[in-house]
Amino acid sequence: QTVVTQEPSLSVSPGGTVTLTCGLTSGSVSTSSRPSWYQQTPGQTPRTLIYNTNSRSSGVPDRFSGSILGNKAALTITGAQADDESDYYCAVYMGGGISVFGGGTKLTVL
Amino acid sequence: QLQLQESGPGLVTASETLSLTCTVSGASIRDRRYYWGWIRQPPGKGLEWIGSIYYSGTAYYNPSLKSRVTISIDTSKNQYSLKLSSVAAADTAVYHCARGDYEIDTWFDPWGQGTLVTVSS
Repeated sequence: QTVVTQEPSLSVSPGGTVTLTCGLTSGSVSTSSRPSWYQQTPGQTPRTLIYNTNSRSSGVPDRFSGSILGNKAALTITGAQADDESDYYCAVYMGGGISVFGGGTKLTVL
Repeated sequence: QLQLQESGPGLVTASETLSLTCTVSGASIRDRRYYWGWIRQPPGKGLEWIGSIYYSGTAYYNPSLKSRVTISIDTSKNQYSLKLSSVAAADTAVYHCARGDYEIDTWFDPWGQGTLVTVSS
């Protein structure tokens, strides 16, 4: 069974840039995978940041951007702020009506 | 404004069946642009897609749960439901319902606030 992989944890300095990735244990993530990205702070419902690879959800600052880097989906945060400290999840379409979430990345801003 | 609200027992006995309902308000569940999904999150762990259903009744399930999951839809009540059979402690989680985009399957928005279901032995 293919698993969606994410970095378990990353850190970034305030004002810095960080890229989170979303890959597969077998195969590649492409635009056909329609990857989406979600941000979740403790106790809160996930918030959509990016959908369909690189479309920014309403109200999301333009310092969040999505792309495909090599064989993975990527979420880049430019000019990180303290309140970006959250858990980030990607979701990938596997075909046949099936979507899979990655295990999540815990981002620390310090 | 579209809202989704989960309802159902917060405590289920092991080996029994978990049953939850999601009530959709502010939009029609018959909207062909969307489907309706269930996603869960065990305490301290990540998100897991359980399955989704289209207004026509066509449903898709997580292969790892497929043998135990049934999702149904009642368009007359603007509701859809989740049944998960033979539950165990590992099924303890916050269960969210969420609207999914028909063309961008991975785009779930909005989400219900979620309901914690605890499986007791």
